Amino acid sequence: QQQVKQSPQSLIVQKGGISIINCAYENTAFDYFPWYQQFPGKGPALLIAIRPDVSEKKEGRFTISFNKSAKQFSLHIMDSQPGDSATYFCAARQRALTFGSGTRLQVQP
Amino acid sequence: GAGVSQTPSNKVTEKGKYVELRCDPISGHTALYWYRQSLGQGPEFLIYFQGTGAADDSGLPNDRFFAVRPEGSVSTLKIQRTERGDSAVYLCASSLMGQGVNSPLHFGNGTRLTVT
Repeated sequence: QQQVKQSPQSLIVQKGGISIINCAYENTAFDYFPWYQQFPGKGPALLIAIRPDVSEKKEGRFTISFNKSAKQFSLHIMDSQPGDSATYFCAARQRALTFGSGTRLQVQP
Repeated sequence: GAGVSQTPSNKVTEKGKYVELRCDPISGHTALYWYRQSLGQGPEFLIYFQGTGAADDSGLPNDRFFAVRPEGSVSTLKIQRTERGDSAVYLCASSLMGQGVNSPLHFGNGTRLTVT
C-alpha cells in the first residue's frame, strides 16, 4: 500500500526555471513532512521540512506548500540550477518516515 | 564532524548465505533507523532503535531479518538465508532523538547488497 504518492516520476527543467514536485497522502496521522535530495551513490539528505500546522515554508530557493484539507504538499525549486539535478523524495511521518517513490529531476544548462 | 558510516559499501553474496551490515551513527545520536531502497524506489522502513532497544520493528519483512544495537551506538543488520529479492541498498540513518523538525534524520551512503 503506497501511503505517499509522488509525481511526476521524472522532470526536465531548463536552467533558471521552476521545478515543481507533488505529493499526496491519505493517513491523517502523519505529523511531519520532509523532502529529501539524493545524488547517485549517496544517501538521502534532508532539504526542507514542514509541520501540518503551517501552509508554506521557504528556505532559500526551496519552498514547501502544504494543503492540509487536500492532503497534498509540494516542493518548488526556484531558479533551478544544473547542480539541483538529483532524485527528490517526499516523506511523511507517523512513527517512522514513509517515503514517496521519487522524482528524478534534470536541469538542463 | 563525521556523518553516518556504513560498512561494507558493497556486498556480494550467494543465495542462502548469511550477511551482516554495519552502521556507525553520528556520535550522540540516540535514534537509529534502517531502511531498504530498491532500484528506482524510495527508502522503505525496516526498524527503529531508541537507545539499545528496538522501538519499532514493524518494517522487517520476515524473520530472516534481525538487527541489534547492544550498546546504543553501532548497529548491525543481519540477514539469514539470503534470497535474490533481498538485493537492494540498505540505508542507515540516525537522529538526535526520534526524528522531526528539530531532530532530522541523517543518512549514511548505504550498503549495496547483491545476492547472486
